[in-house]
Amino acid sequence: DTAVSQTPKYLVTQMGNDKSIKCEQNLGHDTMYWYKQDSKKFLKIMFSYNNKELIINETVPNRFSPKSPDKAHLNLHINSLELGDSAVYFCASSPSISGNTIYFGEGSWLTVV
Amino acid sequence: AQSVSQHNHHVILSEAASLELGCNYSYGGTVNLFWYVQYPGQHLQLLLKYFSGDPLVKGIKGFEAEFIKSKFSFNLRKPSVQWSDTAEYFCAASGAGTASKLTFGTGTRLQVML
Repeated sequence: DTAVSQTPKYLVTQMGNDKSIKCEQNLGHDTMYWYKQDSKKFLKIMFSYNNKELIINETVPNRFSPKSPDKAHLNLHINSLELGDSAVYFCASSPSISGNTIYFGEGSWLTVV
Repeated sequence: AQSVSQHNHHVILSEAASLELGCNYSYGGTVNLFWYVQYPGQHLQLLLKYFSGDPLVKGIKGFEAEFIKSKFSFNLRKPSVQWSDTAEYFCAASGAGTASKLTFGTGTRLQVML
């Protein structure tokens, strides 16, 4: 069983489109995250939710909107996609917000053309 | 500002060679430290972590890391690498007891030659 699963794994889309990436964790964790890995493999946090509440929002454009319907799910919606949004997006979770180990999903490869 | 530095960007070794990847961090307060590995086309997997206690931490696949507080370092080591260790290695840090926000280093690409 995949602990942190995200869909789709691969997504190719045109500039200007709106797309969503879904994430679910079956670990019973309270905290979920979205990380972005750029073409140079640099990883940076985008958002963090704890029990469905936003707790970390790094300097991410408003076009990115996370939604957490319950603590096991954290979806990422992206409006008006731009070429620079091409990256690998990793969902992750941890038992709580206080410095626990973070477990990553398999990543969603987004290519904007 | 919190930061993690990995000075080796690309390391090439022959099988059976010993490995040491450098990691330095800059953090205010108590810090948790991690090493993650990303095999080609795959997700990040936790190799090992340090929260407190024995500064020499043993992880999976024969890897270990040593926390040296005076040097702000958490270097990753393996006595004898294998071809299957070819991957990208990321050092990361987070503040202990605070909102979890992993700060990653820029990664080290390890290539092991047969």
